[in-house]
Amino acid sequence: AQSVTQPDIHITVSEGASLELRCNYSYGATPYLFWYVQSPGQGLQLLLKYFSGDTLVQGIKGFEAEFKRSQSSFNLRKPSVHWSDAAEYFCAVAPYNNNDMRFGAGTRLTVKP
Amino acid sequence: KAGVTQTPRYLIKTRGQQVTLSCSPISGHRSVSWYQQTPGQGLQFLFEYFSETQRNKGNFPGRFSGRQFSNSRSEMNVSTLELGDSALYLCASKTSSGGAADTQYFGPGTRLTVL
Repeated sequence: AQSVTQPDIHITVSEGASLELRCNYSYGATPYLFWYVQSPGQGLQLLLKYFSGDTLVQGIKGFEAEFKRSQSSFNLRKPSVHWSDAAEYFCAVAPYNNNDMRFGAGTRLTVKP
Repeated sequence: KAGVTQTPRYLIKTRGQQVTLSCSPISGHRSVSWYQQTPGQGLQFLFEYFSETQRNKGNFPGRFSGRQFSNSRSEMNVSTLELGDSALYLCASKTSSGGAADTQYFGPGTRLTVL
């Protein structure tokens, strides 16, 4: 069965510091992989997605993620965090042919001034 | 282009009642999916509708049902509400039901509280 693990429930970083959010997945084949962000009281906004090809994916708001098949990981990175990046981040996997998307438990990001 | 809209945004019900939530997808989107978000279980897929037909269903009891209208608007119904149904219910739309390659756009959610 497909599943997603986000090992870090809460991460605090200083503004301007780099960020890496971890995501590991379990799936029978290479799934479609996603990172979403959710601000308080809001729905989810897609940051980036990976289907195939180049394993380094660029997204919106300066985020990028790297797919590593050997480690079953899809970690999200940003070189310099802004205070407005404080939110909850969700990694998700989905099969190619339907919307049964499985989400990780989320990582809450706090940004210190 | 307007985003996904959900009504109402907040709802308070008591145990045993039923509730109907509404979702209007982005214009031109024919696939609508519903998700439940709770602190304990996280985000869980409920079901997907496309062209008025349920295409996929998550692991939820039959108290949770939905439908989709010819204009792609969707409703979700929960009968005999339980305390554990308190959650944020998110709706997402996309152009087709062809698969995950098509980007889903999420609405702001309906916050349901069951007392």
